Parts: sequence; structure tokens; C-alpha cells
Amino acid sequence: SAVISQKPSRDICQRGTSLTIQCQVDSQVTMMFWYRQQPGQSLTLIATANQGSEATYESGFVIDKFPISRPNLTFSTLTVSNMSPEDSSIYLCSASRTEAFFGQGTRLTVV
Amino acid sequence: GQQLNQSPQSMFIQEGEDVSMNCTSSSIFNTWLWYKQDPGEGPVLLIALYKAGELTSNGRLTAQFGITRKDSFLNISASIPSDVGIYFCAGLVTNAGKSTFGDGTTLTVKP
Repeated sequence: SAVISQKPSRDICQRGTSLTIQCQVDSQVTMMFWYRQQPGQSLTLIATANQGSEATYESGFVIDKFPISRPNLTFSTLTVSNMSPEDSSIYLCSASRTEAFFGQGTRLTVV
Repeated sequence: GQQLNQSPQSMFIQEGEDVSMNCTSSSIFNTWLWYKQDPGEGPVLLIALYKAGELTSNGRLTAQFGITRKDSFLNISASIPSDVGIYFCAGLVTNAGKSTFGDGTTLTVKP
């Protein structure tokens, strides 16, 4: 398994601002992913965080809105840019070797 | 894209009862995963299945990888109050690749 630390655990942000979420894994992993989970919903994949190259985004998600960094095999960041209330959600970092493990999530509220 | 149909959407059971939930897909997956999510937490991996027909247990939990590779079920025996939560299935096409999640089964256990 992998231990994943994600911070902040929650934040309340003003619309129009940006928030960067950090994800630290306790050991090197091949793959890291970012998911969004809206209240009462399932997990939706935002993007695959690629080490040393641009992230691979899923349909409906774009780099300008959700820039992602992955400078090494244990760390990644997701930025939620120019936030609106519709961005209020839980954002989850995931790391995979064979199975996917998750951080505790970041609960974002945009006011 | 790939979709997983998870059922039932919710279950209300009495403590001590057995529970069964399942996921089906129109696409083939090579790995099936079952997670439990408690409020305010990220999903926690319960069971991973890697081979068609595989039956795996983890305490009171038993899961099977369907022979067609398009379905999986999770059984919980002798439920207890701490089993309360949301259970998600997830399928992977490639190991360590991105996961496709079901919509979740919300389990309520009445003492």
C-alpha cells in the first residue's frame, strides 16, 4: 500500500481566487491521479499527473482551469484556478502501483 | 467512455444481516477493486481482484471477479454498525492505470 498525505484538508475560498492542493506519497509510485467528488456523487477523474511532463486531462477538464504539477515520483499538486461556487467539491489525490490508494481529500467550498 | 453500473444505490439493513452489492459493465476490466468511503475521508481499498473467476476474502468481506470480466460482486456477512458507509467498485483496464468508478452503494446498518 501507499500512504498519501493531502493538504489542505479543507478550505473556504473566495470566488475568482485559486487554490493549490498538495499530495505527498510516502514512497515512489508510477502513477498519480486527481479526482473530483461532488457531494453525494462518485469519483470523476480530472487528470493523470505525469512525472516530468504535462498532465493528461479527461474530457471536460482543461489545463488552464486545473493546472497540475508532478516534479518527482512522490509529489503532485493540483491548482483549482479562478474558482466559482460550482468548483465546490472534494478533490482527491490517488497513487497507484497496481491498485489505487487515496489521500483523505480536500474539501473545497467556494463562496 | 467506460461506465460501471453499481447496484443497489442504497441499502438499509439490520445488524447481523448479510449484504450483497454488484457492479456490471459493458466493457472488460482486468482488475476490479472495492473501496469503502467514510464521511470526510478518502476511499479505502477493501479488496483487489486480478483474475477472472477469482474469489477473495478479507475478514467478513468476500468479492468475486466475474468470469466474463465485466462484473464483480461484494458480499458482507454478519453486518455490524461500523460497516456503514459508501462502497464503490472500480475497474481498471491496465495495472496502475486510471480507475473507472461505480456510483456507489450507501449502506445503513440499524442496530
